Amino acid sequence: NAGVTQTPKFQVLKTGQSMTLQCAQDMNHNSMYWYRQDPGMGLRLIYYSASEGTTDKGEVPNGYNVSRLNKREFSLRLESAAPSQTSVYFCASSNTEFSNQPQHFGDGTRLSIL
Amino acid sequence: RKEVEQDPGPFNVPEGATVAFNCTYSNSASQSFFWYRQDCRKEPKLLMSVYSSGNEDGRFTAQLNRASQYISLLIRDSKLSDSATYLCAVNMGLFYNQGGKLIFGQGTELSVKP
Repeated sequence: NAGVTQTPKFQVLKTGQSMTLQCAQDMNHNSMYWYRQDPGMGLRLIYYSASEGTTDKGEVPNGYNVSRLNKREFSLRLESAAPSQTSVYFCASSNTEFSNQPQHFGDGTRLSIL
Repeated sequence: RKEVEQDPGPFNVPEGATVAFNCTYSNSASQSFFWYRQDCRKEPKLLMSVYSSGNEDGRFTAQLNRASQYISLLIRDSKLSDSATYLCAVNMGLFYNQGGKLIFGQGTELSVKP
């Protein structure tokens, strides 16, 4: 049972570098989400995608872009990394074709920007 | 007022104790409620959904109080393995219109001692 798979698990970048975090789910879920989690701040939604081909901003979208490549995959891109983007990033998915469905999370990407 | 609020704790309890957490939410139109468990900055894992009539899963009981806009989680006969951070999650309006978005509380830390 793979569920939600994120790659990479760890990454160190220098300020100004770019990178893409990958997320894939095998549960046939229509909705996918990207969060960041910082100490004392809880989970904050960056972007989400309610269906293939659509994306919407969450609470903290600045500095990020996303692509819903197909129903399975939802990537998060940092175009020019900044130290403030050092965080743990979680991808999640949900079947929102039915009501009251929970989100299921990947095991996270730990990203450090130097 | 934050959209979803939890007492951050920590709650330090002895093994065998009963402990309860509350989570308040601001949007009276919220329909979906969940409790998640998170260990040491690993991914949040769904503990249980919260249903209008209340629901129980072994030692865990979840309740919803719509009038006062809070949900609760009761853990009976605490085990050492229950030590974790417990996150509540609430949707902020019509589930379908929001793409299944959830707002997470900051989490309540529980430490169960021998």
